[in-house]
Amino acid sequence: KQEVTQIPAALSVPEGENLVLNCSFTDSAIYNLQWFRQDPGKGLTSLLLIQSSQREQTSGRLNASLDKSSGRSTLYIAASQPGDSATYLCAVRNQAGTALIFGKGTTLSVSS
Amino acid sequence: GAVVSQHPSWVICKSGTSVKIECRSLDFQATTMFWYRQFPKQSLMLMATSNEGSKATYEQGVEKDKFLINHASLTLSTLTVTSAHPEDSSFYICSASSGTGNTEAFFGQGTRLTVV
Repeated sequence: KQEVTQIPAALSVPEGENLVLNCSFTDSAIYNLQWFRQDPGKGLTSLLLIQSSQREQTSGRLNASLDKSSGRSTLYIAASQPGDSATYLCAVRNQAGTALIFGKGTTLSVSS
Repeated sequence: GAVVSQHPSWVICKSGTSVKIECRSLDFQATTMFWYRQFPKQSLMLMATSNEGSKATYEQGVEKDKFLINHASLTLSTLTVTSAHPEDSSFYICSASSGTGNTEAFFGQGTRLTVV
């Protein structure tokens, strides 16, 4: 059974720092991996989607990498801002058309 | 990106009553919709998968008679929490996928259910 783990559970950094969020999954035979942002009491905002054949995806200050063989993904946030404060969720899809399996998330707090 | 609209965003109901939550794909046809539940400080847990025109597939431990799912059209799925109890209080969120080509999952805004 696929399990997704995110480390750390919480992270506090001053504004301007670059940071890395980690995600690991137990079954490397995934279809794709997606990173989301969730603000308190809100729904999910999709940040980046990486297909199993891809190594990384970039959007603005965000860069996500995927090492399928080792069951790992990282989300790199450059020059963090207070507006980046939120919970970041990593989720994998094992097969096309199936549901995403989520990690518990990393709650990020960026202080000004 | 595609838009998924979920309604209501929050609801308070009395124990024993039923609550219906709607999930609509506004600009694409969703052949498959997923319903998740999220308890405070926990991750999203899949409750069920619904395909248009067929019965939903429920995850282990989810009572199908309590959480009724209807996916009558390619743009609408509903989750009805029947005979709600305080322990059903949670954040419910739906996700839709076109199922063909585009493999990205799009999520609704979520519904905060409080049963008193």
